Amino acid sequence: DAMVIQNPRYQVTQFGKPVTLSCSQTLNHNVMYWYQQKSSQAPKLLFHYYDKDFNNEADTPDNFQSRRPNTSFCFLDIRSPGLGDAAMYLCAARGGAMNVNTEAFFGQGTRLTVV
Amino acid sequence: AQKVTQAQTEISVVEKEDVTLDCVYETRDTTYYLFWYKQPPSGELVFLIRRNSFDEQNEISGRYSWNFQKSTSSFNFTITASQVVDSAVYFCALNSNTGGFKTIFGAGTRLFVKA
Repeated sequence: DAMVIQNPRYQVTQFGKPVTLSCSQTLNHNVMYWYQQKSSQAPKLLFHYYDKDFNNEADTPDNFQSRRPNTSFCFLDIRSPGLGDAAMYLCAARGGAMNVNTEAFFGQGTRLTVV
Repeated sequence: AQKVTQAQTEISVVEKEDVTLDCVYETRDTTYYLFWYKQPPSGELVFLIRRNSFDEQNEISGRYSWNFQKSTSSFNFTITASQVVDSAVYFCALNSNTGGFKTIFGAGTRLFVKA
């Protein structure tokens, strides 16, 4: 059974039109991540939550926002998508406090196309 | 600074051949954790193994084996008797205490296994 679920799998949005990607997890893990992965590149961390504490990467554009209303759900909002934002967006969940040796569980990703 | 280098961009082998994927990491932390993930065409990142910096014991799991050598900062992954289903992108990743909850990924190695 899928433990990290991302919806939708494929999203097409218009240039400049706000879009929201969704992620849910059944693991009850306290850490959730959003990564952006462009073609043939490594996943790039955008931000993560430790419980409700939000941590933004320094180079994440202001165009990207996130919400985590509860443990299970996390959303990625792109306020004004540009052509350069077309990518695969990966959500992940990981358990643990300061212990960093637990693996992250990833969803199947949402592939975003901007037209 | 923390960094993961996967020098092999693409590898192509014929089924039943053995193949080794290289991973070299950099960190100043004495406590750190290394991971390998597989990303099949479906997009989801699948966890394969984790290793902590205090455990240099090599590991074998079926056709998979991992060679961790702190002296050379390497964590290489070998697939024995490769199969077509092994075709995927493989990522090596690093977490450390200083890095907190951030997982740093290498650029990935795309493995093609031909029948």
